[in-house]
Amino acid sequence: QVQLVQSGAEVKEPGASVKVSCKASGYTFTTYGISWVRQAPGQGLEWMGWISTYSGKPNYAQSLQGRVTVTSDTSTSTAYMELRSLRSDDTAVYYCARGQCSGGSCYSDFWGQGTLVTVPS
Amino acid sequence: QSVLTQPPSVSAAPGQKVTISCSGSSSNIGHNYVSWYQQLPGTAPKLLIYENNKRPSGIPDRFSGSKSGTSATLGITGLQTGDEADYYCGTWDSSLRAVVFGGGTKLTVL
Repeated sequence: QVQLVQSGAEVKEPGASVKVSCKASGYTFTTYGISWVRQAPGQGLEWMGWISTYSGKPNYAQSLQGRVTVTSDTSTSTAYMELRSLRSDDTAVYYCARGQCSGGSCYSDFWGQGTLVTVPS
Repeated sequence: QSVLTQPPSVSAAPGQKVTISCSGSSSNIGHNYVSWYQQLPGTAPKLLIYENNKRPSGIPDRFSGSKSGTSATLGITGLQTGDEADYYCGTWDSSLRAVVFGGGTKLTVL
């Protein structure tokens, strides 16, 4: 069965960086991309970016451009999201999700359990 | 402020039907496919509908999706207390070159 298992919760100081991992299993890793979505406490979903695990090419939300990097390691079927220069409003649950994105169709069919990143103010 | 607009909340009685709207523009819903997600309290989102009206395996046919112009609608029939959740629409925005979501709709089954 398809599973995405994310790394554990993190507490980071303002200005630091965080790197969240997402290990996929139950399918051929390079057949689907990986999206990253975050959700601040009590708020809605915010798309952060997507990576084609086949080509390694990423695509980022403009609001996070320059602070976020998404990578993937096909040898371990693991995707990573690094967010730099953390601020208190980056406090959120970060989700990875298996994604399809082509021809105007962009959706995520399996999601990780989420990783809480806390940045104290 | 979300790019896609959803009502903050909807409610209906068990067994009844409810619809949730999602309004966008020509750069997103108007030219791309819409997906819908259900998020139960304290859990990750779950895909309910993709490509406007397709259901993934395991999603009951009580859930349906449609799209017309720059708006989309999620329909849920035979409401159950277990359907109480937040529902989000999402799509690709060709101008922003990003996935955009609605602000979410909280469904209460009275």
